[in-house]
Amino acid sequence: DAGVIQSPRHEVTEMGQEVTLRCKPISGHNSLFWYRQTMMRGLELLIYFNNNVPIDDSGMPEDRFSAKMPNASFSTLKIQPSEPRDSAVYFCASSGTGGDTQYFGPGTRLTVL
Amino acid sequence: GQQVMQIPQYQHVQEGEDFTTYCNSSTTLSNIQWYKQRPGGHPVFLIQLVKSGEVKKQKRLTFQFGEAKKNSSLHITATQTTDVGTYFCAGGYQKVTFGTGTKLQVIP
Repeated sequence: DAGVIQSPRHEVTEMGQEVTLRCKPISGHNSLFWYRQTMMRGLELLIYFNNNVPIDDSGMPEDRFSAKMPNASFSTLKIQPSEPRDSAVYFCASSGTGGDTQYFGPGTRLTVL
Repeated sequence: GQQVMQIPQYQHVQEGEDFTTYCNSSTTLSNIQWYKQRPGGHPVFLIQLVKSGEVKKQKRLTFQFGEAKKNSSLHITATQTTDVGTYFCAGGYQKVTFGTGTKLQVIP
């Protein structure tokens, strides 16, 4: 079985540009999570969806960040405009019905110059 | 909001020595999960504890959930170089809060 798929794996962009990160959760999982990991702040939950509906976006740092889940097999995290302080590894994770175990994707390493 | 702290932040051990990381929550947890992240990798689920005072073992790893369900520990017996990585505890249902992590380095 394929695990959580994220693309791109690496992204280098310039300040002010729009960045879109993509995630395909494990088939059959109904919860999806976006995390950001940095040395300074550790692993932070940005937003999570249940059955494609955003449940809690209190971790989204500011209005420059937005996330969508148009269907059960796809989600995006968009940063517009990007800033150097957004540089981090962004993980997507999914979990199944009634389950707490989260399965993480390989992450997207974002560098904003 | 809920905070989950782990100590120590870093630990260097000689191969063969034991290792323990402690996890403390500011609030009572419904459950506790443990994850391992290898250098350059992503967090991988190890185990979940649900009951007060629960103890579970996975080979050389022993996991414990405190009686008050506000703390937990992970103990590794006789560390090996393959144990290198960062160990995270995580608490809560759905909106899981990850701990600050303990980075383990094993010196061969």
